[in-house]
Amino acid sequence: AQRVTQPEKLLSVFKGAPVELKCNYSYSGSPELFWYVQYSRQRLQLLLRHISRESIKGFTADLNKGETSFHLKKPFAQEEDSAMYYCALSRNSGYSTLTFGKGTMLLVSP
Amino acid sequence: DAGVIQSPRHEVTEMGQEVTLRCKLISGHNSLFWYRQTMMRGLELLIYFNNNVPIDDSGMPEDRFSAKMPNASFSTLKIQPSEPRDSAVYFCASSYEGTNTGELFFGEGSRLTVL
Repeated sequence: AQRVTQPEKLLSVFKGAPVELKCNYSYSGSPELFWYVQYSRQRLQLLLRHISRESIKGFTADLNKGETSFHLKKPFAQEEDSAMYYCALSRNSGYSTLTFGKGTMLLVSP
Repeated sequence: DAGVIQSPRHEVTEMGQEVTLRCKLISGHNSLFWYRQTMMRGLELLIYFNNNVPIDDSGMPEDRFSAKMPNASFSTLKIQPSEPRDSAVYFCASSYEGTNTGELFFGEGSRLTVL
């Protein structure tokens, strides 16, 4: 069975500091990994997906199959980045069911 | 499009009562997911429909839970009888299974409190 682990419930940083939200997964196949974000009073929404290899709002994430990790990084945190971040795994292409981690709350202080 | 619409947004009920949560999909989407969110367990998939057919219901906790899609745009999740441990936020999400993007579009959630 697949599993997604986000070891930190809360990550608190100052504005301008680098951020790394950790995500590890276990899955025997070839997964697709995603980061979803939930800002205060907003819906849970897709932030980025590993297959796109994109940078969204300054965030990037690299899939490391050797370490089975998909950490989310941003070099300089902004206050508006404060939100709940969920790492998610999809088992197969075209089959969208996602397994989510428990989430990490990112708090960026001025 | 207003996105995925869930109702009610908040529900407080007493143990033993029937609870029905409703979800309207985004027009054109053909997949529907019900997730439950709790502090202890995070976001758990309860059931997944594709083209109105339940594909994976392995996450449905027990027989007290049932979900239906009477048509392509609407779904209900029913809990009968409800118990305090069912208290959670229930999210509905939809997607188009064919774009291969893996993106789910979530509703705002229904917060259920069972006393």
